[in-house]
Amino acid sequence: GAGVSQSPSNKVTEKGKDVELRCDPISGHTALYWYRQSLGQGLEFLIYFQGNSAPDKSGLPSDRFSAERTGGSVSTLTIQRTQQEDSAVYLCASSTGHANTGELFFGEGSRLTVL
Amino acid sequence: QQQVKQSPQSLIVQKGGISIINCAYENTAFDYFPWYQQFPGKGPALLIAIRPDVSEKKEGRFTISFNKSAKQFSLHIMDSQPGDSATYFCAASKGNTGKLIFGQGTTLQVKP
Repeated sequence: GAGVSQSPSNKVTEKGKDVELRCDPISGHTALYWYRQSLGQGLEFLIYFQGNSAPDKSGLPSDRFSAERTGGSVSTLTIQRTQQEDSAVYLCASSTGHANTGELFFGEGSRLTVL
Repeated sequence: QQQVKQSPQSLIVQKGGISIINCAYENTAFDYFPWYQQFPGKGPALLIAIRPDVSEKKEGRFTISFNKSAKQFSLHIMDSQPGDSATYFCAASKGNTGKLIFGQGTTLQVKP
C-alpha cells in the first residue's frame, strides 16, 4: 500500500503479557516515529528512528518499552509485562527525513487494551 | 513537561461559523508549527503549517495566525462545515529530526 501500515489494528492482552506492535512505513521514508495516544489525550512522543538507529528514545516511559527497526524499513515496538496504564492507541508515522518539513504521515494505529 | 498548550479542549460551532483554536509554546527554539486533523479511527493528517518568519498563512478556509513575541499561534476555520468535525492538534518542532511535540488536541463539532 501507499500509506503507513500498522498491525495489529486491535490487541487485547492480559496484564503481565508481552506485546509486539508492527509498523511498515512508506517506502523510501528514512525517518520513523512512534507516538502514544491515550483516551482524550494528545499524542505523546515515544521514539524516533533515522534509518536503523534511534537517536531519540527520550519518550519511552519505562524500560518495559523497546523498539527496533531493521533494514531501514519495518519497526517493532515491544512492551514487556504490560500494565493497565499501557492501554492506548500506538501510532506510527514516517517521513522523508529531509530537513524539518514537519510532515509526518501517520498510520491508523494499533489499539492496545490491557485487562 | 508539556511544551505546547492547546485550548479549548472542545468546541461547538454552528455551520458557517468561525472555529478558532489556540496554542502556546515555551521553547523559542521551535521553528516549525503544523496543525494536524484527526478523524475517529484514523491517524492524524497534516492540515496546514507555518514557520516563524511569517505571521499568517492561509490555505482555503484554513488560516494560521502566528505571534512570535507572544509565543502563540492559532488555527482559524472559516465557514465551518459539518465535515470539519474532527480533533485538531497543534504541534511544534525544532531542528532537523522532524520530531513533533503535540498539543493536547481540540475536539471540534460543527452543527448543521
